[in-house]
Amino acid sequence: DGGITQSPKYLFRKEGQNVTLSCEQNLNHDAMYWYRQDPGQGLRLIYYSQIVNDFQKGDIAEGYSVSREKKESFPLTVTSAQKNPTAFYLCASSPQRSNQPQHFGDGTRLSIL
Amino acid sequence: DAKTTQPPSMDCAEGRAANLPCNHSTISGNEYVYWYRQIHSQGPQYIIHGLKNNETNEMASLIITEDRKSSTLILPHATLRDTAVYYCIVPPAGGTSYGKLTFGQGTILTVHP
Repeated sequence: DGGITQSPKYLFRKEGQNVTLSCEQNLNHDAMYWYRQDPGQGLRLIYYSQIVNDFQKGDIAEGYSVSREKKESFPLTVTSAQKNPTAFYLCASSPQRSNQPQHFGDGTRLSIL
Repeated sequence: DAKTTQPPSMDCAEGRAANLPCNHSTISGNEYVYWYRQIHSQGPQYIIHGLKNNETNEMASLIITEDRKSSTLILPHATLRDTAVYYCIVPPAGGTSYGKLTFGQGTILTVHP
């Protein structure tokens, strides 16, 4: 089945550590996105990429980094500079610059030990 | 971005139609209306989208008013599994923010027996 796979589902991090969240899609989509969701809140855009080797900051990029070396993969690194990293992280993908919808993975829940 | 307004919560009896309204009075001519839903601790699920004509798929129907300033998502026969937060979103159709989804608070739909 085509879809978006996020791993791991749950992740724990010690303070001061960087951690990388995985996102893989086999939908042949050009665009990929990372969102953050806090309890009781809507989603906020962290980074997005419209094409391989290119990405743009979203609304809350500080303390995060991404790479887009392959069309299928868009990993997100939560750095130690992110002061409040505990959240639910969601990855999405869509065809580039079209009206087709974004499709989401099942998310990774990150917690600080 | 076209701002959307939705009621914070709605109730519906199982087996009845659920009609979820959304106002988007600042929508521009080439911007689509998208509906997603999110069940607790899962990624958002795409439901349906449209530009100006009414749309129907296996999940729901979307009715867009002629002036495009509001729309209604219809779940024809609601089940308990339809209990979720429903988001109405109008992403920008041009510029560097093309396709960016802005999730507000949405409508919490509770389907009761």
